Amino acid sequence: SYVLTQPPSVSVAPGQTARITCGGNNIGSRSVHWYQQRPGQAPVLVVYNDNDRPSGIPERFSGSNSGNTATLTINRVEAGDEADYYCQMWDSSRDHVVFGGGTKLTVL
Amino acid sequence: EVQLVESGGGLVKPGGSLRLSCAASGFIFSTYNMNWVRQAPGKGLEWVSCISSSSSYIYYADSVKGRFTISRDNAKNSLYLQMNSLRAEDTAVYYCARAGLVGSGYSHPLNVAFDMWGQGTMVTVSS
Repeated sequence: SYVLTQPPSVSVAPGQTARITCGGNNIGSRSVHWYQQRPGQAPVLVVYNDNDRPSGIPERFSGSNSGNTATLTINRVEAGDEADYYCQMWDSSRDHVVFGGGTKLTVL
Repeated sequence: EVQLVESGGGLVKPGGSLRLSCAASGFIFSTYNMNWVRQAPGKGLEWVSCISSSSSYIYYADSVKGRFTISRDNAKNSLYLQMNSLRAEDTAVYYCARAGLVGSGYSHPLNVAFDMWGQGTMVTVSS
């Protein structure tokens, strides 16, 4: 089965840039989506189709996807960005939806 | 208001059954594919099942195939998950999620992003 690998944690100081990776075999050929989940809340879509933002999501959130790594980038990180982040894609070989294991973003 | 509201969670013994519901409002439910996604306590997200807008296509995760059944009633703007033969490892918060944004590339019911989620309903399987 297709596996999406995320680092368990990323830490960044306020105002700096956070980069959260999502690794997978030839993931650059797939469409990757990213979700933010604050504690006790439902997930929220922050980036879809590698680098598009749903309405209402700040421009500070962006994405890229190439080769074996997709990346969620958060510019000018704020305390409110502290959350778990998950990547997601369609595994066409098995007709399943796959989520990465999640990355906890800590704002120092 | 555009929203999804799950209900039906609770405590059930191993081997038991439970039926979850998800009530949709504020959008044309019958035009969207819908999904269930779950999250075990302290764990990550796990996709469970998908049903297309007209119920023509249905997909399940391997972990629930043969035990869970997804269905919908477009006249009632509702999504369901019938869960049978429940196990301890099914303990989780269950979210319904709208497949509102199509992924780039090949057109497929699972090539989507989930643009709306409910608040979740907790299912605990324990004796």
